[in-house]
Amino acid sequence: NAGVTQTPKFQVLKTGQSMTLQCAQDMNHNSMYWYRQDPGMGLRLIYYSASEGTTDKGEVPNGYNVSRLNKREFSLRLESAAPSQTSVYFCASSGGGGQPQHFGDGTRLSIL
Amino acid sequence: QQQVKQSPQSLIVQKGGISIINCAYENTAFDYFPWYQQFPGKGPALLIAIRPDVSEKKEGRFTISFNKSAKQFSLHIMDSQPGDSATYFCAAPEPNDYKLSFGAGTTVTVRA
Repeated sequence: NAGVTQTPKFQVLKTGQSMTLQCAQDMNHNSMYWYRQDPGMGLRLIYYSASEGTTDKGEVPNGYNVSRLNKREFSLRLESAAPSQTSVYFCASSGGGGQPQHFGDGTRLSIL
Repeated sequence: QQQVKQSPQSLIVQKGGISIINCAYENTAFDYFPWYQQFPGKGPALLIAIRPDVSEKKEGRFTISFNKSAKQFSLHIMDSQPGDSATYFCAAPEPNDYKLSFGAGTTVTVRA
């Protein structure tokens, strides 16, 4: 009963390094999302994919890229990490508009 | 992206008391308003949701009330228990889109 699986769970990077966060869901959902969570700011959408083959920018896309590899997998890439990207990153999936989003347990990323 | 205003930022309640969290949204097309519960180190989990063809939905000790004309909805936690101590997020769907806009969150502490 995995739901949404994120890897890795923790990561420490140096400024300028690159990294890809992985997300996979086993609920046959069409839509997938990447959020970042910072203290006092709730969940802010970075990118989303309404369906396989499409991706769109969210509220805070700068410094990130995404790939919807197939229906199950949606990855988030930091090309040149900056300290401002230190955050907890959550992946979510849903059946589409008007449907609940299901979240993974997050990746805690620190950039020094 | 619309703003969802959530209040209070935090609250402390005695065991057995009532916790009330309020949210206000701007616009939406999909009538589906979820509440998420998040424990430390975990991702947000869907707690309860309402479709505003009804003004109230109750699941166990959790009740959502909805005022469509005022664009406001609230979560009531009755008979609060220490295990309810968590951060709660409201969310509203974006018009004509697959996205959710989240409130900033309310940290609830239930004292035994």
